[in-house]
Amino acid sequence: GDSVTQMEGPVTLSEEAFLTINCTYTATGYPSLFWYVQYPGEGLQLLLKATKADDKGSNKGFEATYRKETTSFHLEKGSVQVSDSAVYFCALMERETSGSRLTFGEGTQLTVNP
Amino acid sequence: DSGVTQTPKHLITATGQRVTLRCSPRSGDLSVYWYQQSLDQGLQFLIQYYNGEERAKGNILERFSAQQFPDLHSELNLSSLELGDSALYFCASSVEGGYGYTFGSGTRLTVV
Repeated sequence: GDSVTQMEGPVTLSEEAFLTINCTYTATGYPSLFWYVQYPGEGLQLLLKATKADDKGSNKGFEATYRKETTSFHLEKGSVQVSDSAVYFCALMERETSGSRLTFGEGTQLTVNP
Repeated sequence: DSGVTQTPKHLITATGQRVTLRCSPRSGDLSVYWYQQSLDQGLQFLIQYYNGEERAKGNILERFSAQQFPDLHSELNLSSLELGDSALYFCASSVEGGYGYTFGSGTRLTVV
């Protein structure tokens, strides 16, 4: 079945550092890929998405490129801020096999120190 | 405010009891999804309803059930509760064919 694997956390960075959170997936078809963010005490918010190979999703300085050849969707940000501290989830949706169900990775806790 | 409303925000109950969690989807969304978030299992898909009918089922225990009413709100019923059922339960909604969900802020269930 479908699965998503994220790099193990937690990740701790200093403000203005470069961020990469790795995400790889396993799917039988051509999934859509997502990054969600969960701030403390809140629900998940869609951060960005990509629906086909080579698409780049971007939002709030975060970017991720859909790489079919490496089955990856790594999240990057050039300069993190304290306010980016949250849990980040990679997810996929494969309509052909699972309808509109989202399959999530384990989540990566990011802490940014001033 | 995401537009998806979950009540209650917190619930503490004893083992063996039954609780009902409620979700009102975002206006216009016909699909409702329930997810369980626990420390050891991560985010697990439980069940999806679309316009009142069950559309997909995930790792939902037989002790759990859900339904979606004509006004599109949904309820998740958890019975014979065990300590391991303690978790955050999220509801999300979406338009049919859309990409990405809108999540509620969750109900934190603690079973003691």
